[in-house]
Amino acid sequence: SQQGEEDPQALSIQEGENATMNCSYKTSINNLQWYRQNSGRGLVHLILIRSNEREKHSGRLRVTLDTSKKSSSLLITASRAADTASYFCATDVWGAQKLVFGQGTRLTINP
Amino acid sequence: DVKVTQSSRYLVKRTGEKVFLECVQDMDHENMFWYRQDPGLGLRLIYFSYDVKMKEKGDIPEGYSVSREKKERFSLILESASTNQTSMYLCASNPGSGETQYFGPGTRLLVL
Repeated sequence: SQQGEEDPQALSIQEGENATMNCSYKTSINNLQWYRQNSGRGLVHLILIRSNEREKHSGRLRVTLDTSKKSSSLLITASRAADTASYFCATDVWGAQKLVFGQGTRLTINP
Repeated sequence: DVKVTQSSRYLVKRTGEKVFLECVQDMDHENMFWYRQDPGLGLRLIYFSYDVKMKEKGDIPEGYSVSREKKERFSLILESASTNQTSMYLCASNPGSGETQYFGPGTRLLVL
């Protein structure tokens, strides 16, 4: 089973609305990262939150981490058409030298 | 500005051919990674390397090999391409364990 699982798999909202995506994981982590992927392109790093942090902001992005529930959420405020993309969480697991990616949430912003 | 480049954006090969996918990073990163991405399956790690000439198997190494002769270059080799290796291949690098990964633009490989 996946270490990181995003929810929902797909999300469609109107421009200007807020978008929230969730990620759950199973084992202890050093950090959790969120990435964005535009259609047919590589992934772009958005934000990294460490296991001892609870919330982090970057522009219109807000990420929370609840290690007791092994979950994280990504909030995009005041969405724009350019935010249309797939969003992935990735966990840096203790003792591993690699990130484990979830399957992603496909976000569509309707004008 | 960080940069990871991949040798081809699109590639069409025939079953049984030997295929080389090249990845180059200009950030002096220690670690490099090869993933494949398929609909509904997300990103799956094929191989990674944490130093020159070092390699580690990822989650799906079967049918693939890798080479890292220089720090900046990490090659993925399909010894005998098969149709089930049709996929998007993504290369990434990072300076250390657990740090941000920087991705290339991807190579979309079609094996006929």
